[in-house]
Amino acid sequence: ETGVTQTPRHLVMGMTNKKSLKCEQHLGHNAMYWYKQSAKKPLELMFVYSLEERVENNSVPSRFSPECPNSSHLFLHLHTLQPEDSALYLCASSQGGIADTQYFGPGTRLTVL
Amino acid sequence: AQSVAQPEDQVNVAEGNPLTVKCTYSVSGNPYLFWYVQYPNRGLQFLLKYITGDNLVKGSYGFEAEFNKSQTSFHLKKPSALVSDSALYFCAVRVAGRRALTFGSGTRLQVQP
Repeated sequence: ETGVTQTPRHLVMGMTNKKSLKCEQHLGHNAMYWYKQSAKKPLELMFVYSLEERVENNSVPSRFSPECPNSSHLFLHLHTLQPEDSALYLCASSQGGIADTQYFGPGTRLTVL
Repeated sequence: AQSVAQPEDQVNVAEGNPLTVKCTYSVSGNPYLFWYVQYPNRGLQFLLKYITGDNLVKGSYGFEAEFNKSQTSFHLKKPSALVSDSALYFCAVRVAGRRALTFGSGTRLQVQP
């Protein structure tokens, strides 16, 4: 798990706040991902970055804004969230090959009040 | 479209007994199949994957999975369960040309002493 780190591990925010989630990978990978894990729902892919370029965006509301400044760092900027956005947000990275394995961070547990 | 089904929300097994966690998939094309495990308050840990070749795949912690193309299944197995195997298990699939992993809803494995 230390190959992909996420901060903060827990975050409580109001609906009018702006916050950011950070992910860092130490594996030399060139693709990074954001997933959302809600209670009783399958993991949902939110965004994919490959070589710092966004390659997938799965109809995510604009109140979630990703940023990938380099191949090791990925951010998820949050603003005016809703209570239903409360979830575990997982970051992952992979080498980028055809059948590569995605390695996950520990996640950020987000609670929106 | 690609999809994964894990038909059991929970599997209970006694320590020392063999365990099976079921997974079936639906894809267009050849699948790449993955199993991950999630312990409480942790991210997903990679267990094993099937790309091509031998239908029996061996992974971490004594787990293995069998790819069955005719039944479109990829069941996770272990000959002798440990209490420490108690966790949430996810099956996932992707196909060539797509970065996104599609996850099943997860199966909670409970191993009783």
